[in-house]
Amino acid sequence: EVQLVESGEGLVQPGSSMKLSCVASGFTFSNYGMNWIRQAPKKGLEWIALIYYDSSSKYYADSVKGRFTISRDNSKNTLYLEMNSLRSEDTAMYYCAKDGMAPFDYWGQGVMVTVSS
Amino acid sequence: DIQMTQSPASLSASLGETVSIECLASEDIYNNLAWYQQKPGKSPQLLIYYASSLQDGVPSRFSGSGSGTQYSLKINSLESEDAATYFCLQDSEYPWTFGGGTKLELK
Repeated sequence: EVQLVESGEGLVQPGSSMKLSCVASGFTFSNYGMNWIRQAPKKGLEWIALIYYDSSSKYYADSVKGRFTISRDNSKNTLYLEMNSLRSEDTAMYYCAKDGMAPFDYWGQGVMVTVSS
Repeated sequence: DIQMTQSPASLSASLGETVSIECLASEDIYNNLAWYQQKPGKSPQLLIYYASSLQDGVPSRFSGSGSGTQYSLKINSLESEDAATYFCLQDSEYPWTFGGGTKLELK
């Protein structure tokens, strides 16, 4: 059974940094691209980053480019999202999601990131 | 960026009815369109990919169609468990973009 478990939830001040993790199981992690997607409270979904299976390519939404970094450690079956210069508008539920034959075929349960003074 | 305009924003229907949700892309996305269902407090789940391919385990009352810039999700014979918010996604070009969502309420 595919499982994606995010961690790193928390409340931080504007301008600070935070790192999210997503541990994968139930599939060969090193064979698949992985994504981060977020959802602000009572809002829609926003794709924010993708990393290829071998880390050879990374893509970002304009809203996070230059501030967020996606990475992965295939030896640990873990996906990361390093978030710097956080703003109030980054407050959201953050999901990791696996790519397969289709985008986002499996999702984690999500972690809440709140940016507030 | 490709804009995805989803309609309607909300929808109310009765058990057993058939409903359709539309997504209009700002440019041709060559069938690179997926549909997701999100129930309150839960993560989204993939329903349809490549415009009309049904994800494993998804009931056959869900179907997708369309081409070019216009796509739709059809749900036949509505069941109570279909009450949810539905989102479309274009994965034709980065940045991938979602539609604004359609909240489906069962009467």
